[in-house]
Amino acid sequence: NAGVTQTPKFQVLKTGQSMTLQCAQDMNHNSMYWYRQDPGMGLRLIYYSASEGTTDKGEVPNGYNVSRLNKREFSLRLESAAPSQTSVYFCASTAKQNTEAFFGQGTRLTVV
Amino acid sequence: GESVGLHLPTLSVQEGDNSIINCAYSNSASDYFIWYKQESGKGPQFIIDIRSNMDKRQGQRVTVLLNKTVKHLSLQIAATQPGDSAVYFCAENIAGGSYIPTFGRGTSLIVHP
Repeated sequence: NAGVTQTPKFQVLKTGQSMTLQCAQDMNHNSMYWYRQDPGMGLRLIYYSASEGTTDKGEVPNGYNVSRLNKREFSLRLESAAPSQTSVYFCASTAKQNTEAFFGQGTRLTVV
Repeated sequence: GESVGLHLPTLSVQEGDNSIINCAYSNSASDYFIWYKQESGKGPQFIIDIRSNMDKRQGQRVTVLLNKTVKHLSLQIAATQPGDSAVYFCAENIAGGSYIPTFGRGTSLIVHP
């Protein structure tokens, strides 16, 4: 099983450009999450989707939008990229309450 | 401030030593805790978990201790190996509505041969 798959793995954007980070899981998990990780920092939650059809803001949602396309897929969109959004982005999923999260390999995004 | 934090950002040990990584949490509503290991260039991976009705749980070479009185969590790694070098995160699931994994800053474990 692939688990959680993120695309792309690397991306360079110019300030003001837009892009969508894709995430898909094949474990039939209900909940999905987007985190960002900056140097020396832990993972900060951007948005999450507790179940198909719902999305909610996390700790750092400004500048981002999400779509829970179906149970498998949860995408993160940057409408107008800013240098402050340079980071490593991780998608994760959990089967149900009080279970461990499974993470993708990350997308390293640089905004110049 | 962070609801999950770590006392030591970097821990250096010799191969074969036991390692202890500590974590403090402040949310008394948290009822599930997980330790993750993150190797360079990869996403975090599950190591071990513990529920709030327990105070100790053992895995293969790892033990997690939970002290709810002082809101403290620790990860003990026995006979640390170079392959254990990574960043370790503790995470808590905060109960109520949706369970959301919330992470601390992480501790970098460096194992010297």
